[in-house]
Amino acid sequence: ELKVEQNPLFLSMQEGKNYTIYCNYSTTSDRLYWYRQDPGKSLESLFVLLSNGAVKQEGRLMASLDTKARLSTLHITAAVHDLSATYFCAVLKTSGSRLTFGEGTQLTVNP
Amino acid sequence: DAGVTQSPTHLIKTRGQQVTLRCSPKSGHDTVSWYQQALGQGPQFIFQYYEEEERQRGNFPDRFSGHQFPNYSSELNVNALLLGDSALYLCASSMFYEQYFGPGTRLTVT
Repeated sequence: ELKVEQNPLFLSMQEGKNYTIYCNYSTTSDRLYWYRQDPGKSLESLFVLLSNGAVKQEGRLMASLDTKARLSTLHITAAVHDLSATYFCAVLKTSGSRLTFGEGTQLTVNP
Repeated sequence: DAGVTQSPTHLIKTRGQQVTLRCSPKSGHDTVSWYQQALGQGPQFIFQYYEEEERQRGNFPDRFSGHQFPNYSSELNVNALLLGDSALYLCASSMFYEQYFGPGTRLTVT
């Protein structure tokens, strides 16, 4: 059974600081996704990582994938308050299969 | 393109009642998956429909059932509602590796 673990589960950081969220998964997979969720809202797609060594960046967020280590990271650079949300990683084992989600990382950026 | 749509947005039901949630996938997508997200947790896979058949199912009881129509839209039915069924229900439409989520239906069981 595919398992996905995120850490930390809770992250409180100051504006302007950098931090990394980690996502480990237990078996080989085809794709890794990062989503953002604001309270009471649905999931907003941030990144889709397709292959080993993939790196994608959008604004202050950068995601990477190491399929050999079964590890993805979401790096936050110079955090701002607007980044406060819960971030989920999710793994797609094969095309057409289900997404398996991590527990989520609740990020709070303080002024 | 309207993207993935879900209805209703919010719903309040009483224990023991039955509920039907609806989802219309993104244009061109032929696969619909349903997820349950309890407060403070990650989404949990309920089941997936493709070509009007249930293709995969997660660890949910038979009280949870679904249907997919020829136009690829889908329904999620939950019978004999329990308090623990209170959650955000998310529909995702997909084709190959694309995955798009709808806005969700917030179900409250009292």
